[in-house]
Amino acid sequence: QVQLVESGGGLVKPGGSLRISCAASGFTGSDYHMTWIRQAPGKGLEVISYISSIDHYTHYADSVRGRFTISRDNGKNSLYLHMDSLRAEDTAIYYCARGNHAPGYGAGCPDYWGQGTLVTVSA
Amino acid sequence: IQMTQSPSTLSASVGDRVTITCRASQSVSDWLAWYQQKPGKAPKLLIYEVSRLESGVPSRFSGGGSETDFTLTISSLQPDDFATYYCQQYNSYSPTFGQGTKVEIK
Repeated sequence: QVQLVESGGGLVKPGGSLRISCAASGFTGSDYHMTWIRQAPGKGLEVISYISSIDHYTHYADSVRGRFTISRDNGKNSLYLHMDSLRAEDTAIYYCARGNHAPGYGAGCPDYWGQGTLVTVSA
Repeated sequence: IQMTQSPSTLSASVGDRVTITCRASQSVSDWLAWYQQKPGKAPKLLIYEVSRLESGVPSRFSGGGSETDFTLTISSLQPDDFATYYCQQYNSYSPTFGQGTKVEIK
């Protein structure tokens, strides 16, 4: 069955860096777009980045562009998010998700989600 | 594209018919999805392309609408349905979610 497992979250100081990972199983990662979505405590959902399946086109939300970098290793069926210059407002649960039902552009809608990894940015 | 859901909170009883509305700031065509999230859990996809039910989702859930105005309807609310619901547009390179609607027990 499809599984997505995030790892690498933790406590980091403002201005610091962190890399979180997502291990996929039960499907061929290279066939799907992959997305990072975050949810601040008690708040809603925000798509922060995605990477396309074939040409590795990447997209970033304005809130993270220039600070975060998404990448994927199809051979390892893994997705990564490298986060630099972290701020308190980046504190959130970070979910990786598989994109599906795409209209030919964009990442589609996430049909499978991981359990999330908590990133806390605090001094 | 901004997505606005209403109401923000909805109080209902088991067996009630419940409708949640989602409005887009511009047309998203048919590229609209609905998710259910329970506390401490990841969201779950219920409906995609406005009205297509994801595999395994009970038929009491249905979606409708087009362009900018959409609805999620639960025909007969069950105890397992008390949760927060989000709409999401994926018609652009910048997908966005609504702010969520919490369905609570009356």
